[in-house]
Amino acid sequence: AQKVTQAQTEISVVEKEDVTLDCVYETRDTTYYLFWYKQPPSGELVFLIRRNSFDEQNEISGRYSWNFQKSTSSFNFTITASQVVDSAVYFCALSFTGGGNKLTFGTGTQLKVEL
Amino acid sequence: DAGVIQSPRHEVTEMGQEVTLRCKPISGHDYLFWYRQTMMQGLELLVYFNNKAVMDDSGMPKDRFSAKMPNASFSTLKIQPSEPRDSAVYFCASSFGIGVTDTQYFGPGTRLTVL
Repeated sequence: AQKVTQAQTEISVVEKEDVTLDCVYETRDTTYYLFWYKQPPSGELVFLIRRNSFDEQNEISGRYSWNFQKSTSSFNFTITASQVVDSAVYFCALSFTGGGNKLTFGTGTQLKVEL
Repeated sequence: DAGVIQSPRHEVTEMGQEVTLRCKPISGHDYLFWYRQTMMQGLELLVYFNNKAVMDDSGMPKDRFSAKMPNASFSTLKIQPSEPRDSAVYFCASSFGIGVTDTQYFGPGTRLTVL
């Protein structure tokens, strides 16, 4: 069975602080994909990143970076120098090839960035 | 390019009424997914299609929910009769395929309230 755990329900930071959102996953499959989506207050789900299980390289995109570690089954997301516009719910998700690309979502982490 | 389009954006109805949610996937995408988001259950997959055929509807309550995709550019999710517990945000998503490059892109969602 697939499972995604986001233990942090809510995080509050002050603008310009760095913040890391944790994601731990469970799967028996050797080929799988991990995702992060952002859900701002307006409600839509915005795709941020996709990572396949064979690529453990960390990725950086502007202020966003992702750390994928198979040894600990984690795919953590760091926002550097957070901004108020980063306030949103962030979802980590997992899919595997044999599952027809069905996404299993974590419960989400509500990030609040205050001035 | 237009993203996934959903209508209506908001729907308020009374218990027992029929509700139809609509989705237009991104052009060229062969896979279409319907998700439901509630506070209690989070994001859960109801049904998904490949080339207009239902691939998996195990997450969809069959007694009152039905999903159709009459053509490649249109899908409906129907609830009849609706119940207050169906109140949720319903998302439609589409992807090109199920391979490593195939990310699901979500529509803005339909917020359904059943009184």
